[in-house]
Amino acid sequence: DQQVKQNSPSLSVQEGRISILNCDYTNSMFDYFLWYKKYPAEGPTFLISISSIKDKNEDGRFTVFLNKSAKHLSLHIVPSQPGDSAVYFCAARQGGSEKLVFGKGTKLTVNP
Amino acid sequence: DAGVIQSPRHEVTEMGQEVTLRCKPISGHDYLFWYRQTMMRGLELLIYFNNNVPIDDSGMPEDRFSAKMPNASFSTLKIQPSEPRDSAVYFCASSRKQGRGNTIYFGEGSWLTVV
Repeated sequence: DQQVKQNSPSLSVQEGRISILNCDYTNSMFDYFLWYKKYPAEGPTFLISISSIKDKNEDGRFTVFLNKSAKHLSLHIVPSQPGDSAVYFCAARQGGSEKLVFGKGTKLTVNP
Repeated sequence: DAGVIQSPRHEVTEMGQEVTLRCKPISGHDYLFWYRQTMMRGLELLIYFNNNVPIDDSGMPEDRFSAKMPNASFSTLKIQPSEPRDSAVYFCASSRKQGRGNTIYFGEGSWLTVV
């Protein structure tokens, strides 16, 4: 029973265009959401996060949107760069718990 | 600052052998997590510790898996006996509780192949 779902295993975009990665969750108790980025042969690294009291958080080229009623969040990367090519994991945490529940990841390829 | 350090980076072992994975968390972090990554299941939490005490081991697959944290700077994940289905990347991660904005930092992973 996957509580965090990333339904697109892969995404390919052109350099300079927008990348949109999607994530759905089922547990309404989740109150904090994160995106991690993973390069091959490396561990995941934190990218950006959002609290459930917000609907948008922006950090440079990266913006995360949260739609609580739809239990959906998305990560926008604008403009996309070849160095953004990686696997992106969506993660969620329930209030009172320190553990993160991850989706299976979406492999983003940004073509020059 | 040194990140989370894991060893070995790669291990190939025969079915039935004991495997021990090691982790040194970031100094000052009081939470330690063991995750496993597979194609089928993605990143799944096996167990996590707070101040060296196991808090949630509900993700540990079965009795063949055990984890210890004898002190704040060292943890092990042991598989005995190992099976081919244990082949995966095992990540150790650590964090310092920061209220709601907790960020977990991962090591580079231990790639385990059981043949």
